[in-house]
This record gives sequence, structure tokens and C-alpha cells, in this order.
Amino acid sequence: QLQLQESGPGRVKPLQTLSLTCSVSGGSINSAGYYWTWIRQQPGTGLEWIGCIYYSGTTYYNPSLESRVTISLDTSNNQFSLKLSSVTAADTAVYYCATGPYYDLDWGQGTLVTVSS
Amino acid sequence: EIVLTQSPATLSLSPGERATLSCRTSQTVGNSLAWYQKKPGQAPRLLIYDASYRATGIPARFSGSGSGTDFTLTISSLEPADFAVYYCQQRTNWPPFNFGQGTKLEIK
Repeated sequence: QLQLQESGPGRVKPLQTLSLTCSVSGGSINSAGYYWTWIRQQPGTGLEWIGCIYYSGTTYYNPSLESRVTISLDTSNNQFSLKLSSVTAADTAVYYCATGPYYDLDWGQGTLVTVSS
Repeated sequence: EIVLTQSPATLSLSPGERATLSCRTSQTVGNSLAWYQKKPGQAPRLLIYDASYRATGIPARFSGSGSGTDFTLTISSLEPADFAVYYCQQRTNWPPFNFGQGTKLEIK
């Protein structure tokens, strides 16, 4: 079982870029066949899949966010990251990182990011 | 994009009762469907994958069934810890790996 931990600013100003990191322990981010995923939950709503990066580096994004999202791997630090540009109040959410060989088996505890000036 | 519709939105039951939750997809997803349990302040937990396989450590009272476009999560005898929000997610036609809107299972 992998342990994941999100980190990053809890508050981001409108139109700036939200940047989060997910640190992975208990295994390698180079694990063959694993997907490294970001998911969010806006206040009072359900789960929204943001995107993922395959261990090979191939990325897949939600079309609704694709123009603003970048997910990348940092193999030297065994972590992966999320960047979401031009944020608005609608991007206020709890952001989760997750992983698994196909389904999202292991999750971070989540981190609240508030978009506010 | 595949749309997942869960029903009912809210299910009110008592401990010991049987819960049946439904998830319908707008296009066939084969058996590539998962169920997650979400409690306030906690990360989602994978319960069922590939429509009917329990994830490691998930009690036998949780079971999944269905294929194509119609899926069911059944909890045979509710325990207090089972009252939560349940989401289905498709994992076949992507991106995105959409979730349903959730079913809230509440204590009656």
C-alpha cells in the first residue's frame, strides 16, 4: 500500500496558478502500470476527476479543465504535481491525489485550496 | 463523454437493513466500473472495482453487480460505519474518468 500526501498553498489569488505536490512513500513513482491522479471536491458537490499521468509520462486531462491543467512526474523526488492556471473562486475545493494500477486504490488525505484575494 | 446517473440521491435506512444503490451510464462501459465510499473529512475509499470485485480489506457485506450500462452496489446488512456518500466511476471511455453525482446513505 502506498502512502500519499498532498502539499501546497492553502490560498491562491484569482487568476494565479494553483500548484500542488503529492509526495509518495512506500513505493516508487516509477512503478510500472500505475496511474497518478488528481481529483477534487468543490464545496457541497461531488467528486471531479481532474486528470492523471501514467508512469510512462503520458498525461490525460478532463476536457473541461484541459486548457488550464498540467500534471507532471518528479521521479527524483518520488512525487507528482498539479498546476491549474487562471484560477477562479470555482476552483476552490479539496484536492486529492490518488494512485493505482488502474483504479484509484490509494489516496492522500486531501488538501483544501481556497481561491480568494 | 459518458454521464453516470446514480439513484436514489438519498437513501434512508436503519442499521441491519439492506441497501441497494444504482448507477447507470449513458454508454456501455463493459464492466469497467468502480464504487467508492466517501465520508466527511476523509478521502474516498475504493470498495468495488471491475463492477463486482471487492478491493482488499472490504467486508463481504459489500457487493457489486452489473455490466454494460446498469450497475448495483449492495450492502447486505448496514452497520453504523456504512452511512456515507457512495460514488460510482467509469474507467473505460476516457478522459475523463467521470464520477456519478453520489448517493447519500443516511440513518433513518
